[in-house]
Amino acid sequence: AQSVTQLDSQVPVFEEAPVELRCNYSSSVSVYLFWYVQYPNQGLQLLLKYLSGSTLVESINGFEAEFNKSQTSFHLRKPSVHISDTAEYFCAVTFTGGGNKLTFGTGTQLKVEL
Amino acid sequence: NAGVTQTPKFRVLKTGQSMTLLCAQDMNHEYMYWYRQDPGMGLRLIHYSVGEGTTAKGEVPDGYNVSRLKKQNFLLGLESAAPSQTSVYFCASSVAVGTEAFFGQGTRLTVV
Repeated sequence: AQSVTQLDSQVPVFEEAPVELRCNYSSSVSVYLFWYVQYPNQGLQLLLKYLSGSTLVESINGFEAEFNKSQTSFHLRKPSVHISDTAEYFCAVTFTGGGNKLTFGTGTQLKVEL
Repeated sequence: NAGVTQTPKFRVLKTGQSMTLLCAQDMNHEYMYWYRQDPGMGLRLIHYSVGEGTTAKGEVPDGYNVSRLKKQNFLLGLESAAPSQTSVYFCASSVAVGTEAFFGQGTRLTVV
């Protein structure tokens, strides 16, 4: 079965500390991988994506994610978080073929504390 | 550019009432989606469309219907609203598979 799993529902972290938000997927077909961010009372915005090529992708605000095909993971990392990074982060996967639906994980609430 | 616009932003319905949520995009995107967001459950796909005149079921289609008569619009209908349909509804669009999905600001629906 095709699925997306975000095991951590909440991740508290102190400002300037590193953080990793985990995402795993299950699929028998090729995938496209995305991380979206949702700030309070807003819609979702694309943070970064992996389609092909280099397995390490970066965003403009210091986040990065690495596609690991053998472990079927796409974890999101940032070496030093800021208070403004407080938001909910969603991993999303497009499973190619069969309608190419964009499927989301359950989200991880990142709370950055002073 | 307006991007993706959802109408209305808030609505309260009584059980059994019907309503239509409108999603409009001005980016000439082929793909459009309707999701519902509930606490602890992330976004779940209700229906989607891969082009004008097409619709397909997502994960949680029961109780909803959709139509895509024009490329820029994707309508989500609730024929007989139930309290279980209380949620925040998001519409999104993308130009093709594997490309960025752009989201509207959401519609907060309460069914009492």
